[in-house]
Amino acid sequence: QKEVEQNSGPLSVPEGAIASLNCTYSDRGSQSFFWYRQYSGKSPELIMFIYSNGDKEDGRFTAQLNKASQYVSLLIRDSQPSDSATYLCAVNLNIGNQFYFGTGTSLTVIP
Amino acid sequence: EAQVTQNPRYLITVTGKKLTVTCSQNMNHEYMSWYRQDPGLGLRQIYYSMNVEVTDKGDVPEGYKVSRKEKRNFPLILESPSPNQTSLYFCASSFRRGLGSYNEQFFGPGTRLTVL
Repeated sequence: QKEVEQNSGPLSVPEGAIASLNCTYSDRGSQSFFWYRQYSGKSPELIMFIYSNGDKEDGRFTAQLNKASQYVSLLIRDSQPSDSATYLCAVNLNIGNQFYFGTGTSLTVIP
Repeated sequence: EAQVTQNPRYLITVTGKKLTVTCSQNMNHEYMSWYRQDPGLGLRQIYYSMNVEVTDKGDVPEGYKVSRKEKRNFPLILESPSPNQTSLYFCASSFRRGLGSYNEQFFGPGTRLTVL
């Protein structure tokens, strides 16, 4: 069983819609959770992190964490064509430096 | 400018020829990592380091070596590269935060390695 699982997509949404990205993880000891965006041919860049149950909002982005269900999601409101990228979910098992990434979900925002 | 640099950015080599990919960060970060990214498999951690002279195996360490003799540098060594090590490699660094906090990683630009 993979540590972190994501639906690979592709996910297509029209411009202005809400994009919903999901991630599940297997290790209940996981401490913190990250969403990275990766444009084709580029390195990942952090867009959100969360470590407490509930919602965390930052601009158009909302991360949701449910530790009981071992589930993390990312909502992108008012999606823009520039949001078209692959979104990677990552889990940090402890406060150290061991990470597991999902395989990523490809998002296309259609103008 | 705060950054993580990797060299070379592109490398084509042959099976068995030892190579080193360098990684350097100028942010005084304690933590550094190496990842490989392959289609359908995502980013997988090869090795990580939590300080000078402290390194640990990640998810896929076989065939790789690392060293951390200085805080800013974390080279990845392939003693005898094989075609299955053809991949996109990323170095990342982050700083240690306190309990209950998080570990934000900053990634280098990537090194595309082809082993023939």
